[in-house]
Amino acid sequence: EDQVTQSPEALRLQEGESSSLNCSYTVSGLRGLFWYRQDPGKGPEFLFTLYSAGEEKEKERLKATLTKKESFLHITAPKPEDSATYLCAVQAGGAATTSGTYKYIFGTGTRLKVLA
Amino acid sequence: DTGVSQDPRHKITKRGQNVTFRCDPISEHNRLYWYRQTLGQGPEFLTYFQNEAQLEKSRLLSDRFSAERPKGSFSTLEIQRTEQGDSAMYLCASSLGTAGNTIYFGEGSWLTVV
Repeated sequence: EDQVTQSPEALRLQEGESSSLNCSYTVSGLRGLFWYRQDPGKGPEFLFTLYSAGEEKEKERLKATLTKKESFLHITAPKPEDSATYLCAVQAGGAATTSGTYKYIFGTGTRLKVLA
Repeated sequence: DTGVSQDPRHKITKRGQNVTFRCDPISEHNRLYWYRQTLGQGPEFLTYFQNEAQLEKSRLLSDRFSAERPKGSFSTLEIQRTEQGDSAMYLCASSLGTAGNTIYFGEGSWLTVV
């Protein structure tokens, strides 16, 4: 069964304390891996899409990497405004629905709190 | 690009009432998705449209739920005879119609059933 697991569930960092969030996946034929940021009461905001092992993407203090079994979201010198829930999702090529659509499967997220 | 727009943002309704949510996707996107999210969980897939055709429905979508996208543009999600268990955030997303394409979410519609 296709599955996405994120760890840790929650993470508290001091401002400037770099760390990494993990997204491990078990899918048949990865079509894409997506990272989103979600603030309380709001919809997920797109951050990155990764397609193949070895690929990396960067945006400000965030860097996403991808291997064949997991993805990491590295946060360098975080600031309090980086506090949010970070969601990982995969689109699985082997999990075609009856319509031929490849489902997007989400993890439960990592709640990040950065303290000033 | 105005992004995905959802209305209303918040709805409080009494159990047994019907509610309807509207979603306006990004204009050039032909795929539209509805997800449901409860506290502490990731979004769960409900249904999906390609243009005006509803191509997939989750087992989560009971008979009380119906979604339409009549002209392949905006979509509505109606919940009939609401129950307290329907309280959640209902998210709409849209994408272009190729595999591996990013889906972009709206701000969500919060439903509270009292």
